[in-house]
Amino acid sequence: RKEVEQDPGPFNVPEGATVAFNCTYSNSASQSFFWYRQDCRKEPKLLMSVYSSGNEDGRFTAQLNRASQYISLLIRDSKLSDSATYLCVVNHSGGYQKVTFGIGTKLQVIP
Amino acid sequence: NAGVMQNPRHLVRRRGQEARLRCSPMKGHSHVYWYRQLPEEGLKFMVYLQKENIIDESGMPKERFSAEFPKEGPSILRIQQVVRGDSAAYFCASSPSRDVFMDTQYFGPGTRLTVL
Repeated sequence: RKEVEQDPGPFNVPEGATVAFNCTYSNSASQSFFWYRQDCRKEPKLLMSVYSSGNEDGRFTAQLNRASQYISLLIRDSKLSDSATYLCVVNHSGGYQKVTFGIGTKLQVIP
Repeated sequence: NAGVMQNPRHLVRRRGQEARLRCSPMKGHSHVYWYRQLPEEGLKFMVYLQKENIIDESGMPKERFSAEFPKEGPSILRIQQVVRGDSAAYFCASSPSRDVFMDTQYFGPGTRLTVL
């Protein structure tokens, strides 16, 4: 089983739709979690951290379920500019930021 | 405050040549991470360095690859005798400290290596 698993997609959704991505992780000792966004042929950029209590940033909501070992990202009112690949990132700790990236979920928002 | 800088952005090498990739972390950051992203794959950790120290190189191929982060100057990822399978995007990231809960990693724009 992969350390971090994501559905690679693509998810094709119309503008204004709500879309959700899940990511599962295998290491129960994982300490912290992030969602990154990567545009085509660009570097990953931090979208948001994922906190145990869940957190929201505008149209984006992230949730963590430690019992089931998954995190989720919800995007409401999708914009064309949301089209990108969304990377799930899990920090296993070990004294420094030993992170594992998921393969990413590709989102295409259609006019 | 300039971000993480990498150069060159694009590098073309023939099989058997050497590739040198450079990474200058953000100002104030003393931790550098190198990742490789093969086409249609996720980022894979290669090595973690602090100034003058390699802390974790568990993701580095055992042969042909080496990394350093000298006291002065950028971090360098060196690939000797490149093969076609080395063609990938190589990203460098930096972070300011070892706080695994609060900090995150900031990525450079990457170097796209093409081996002919």
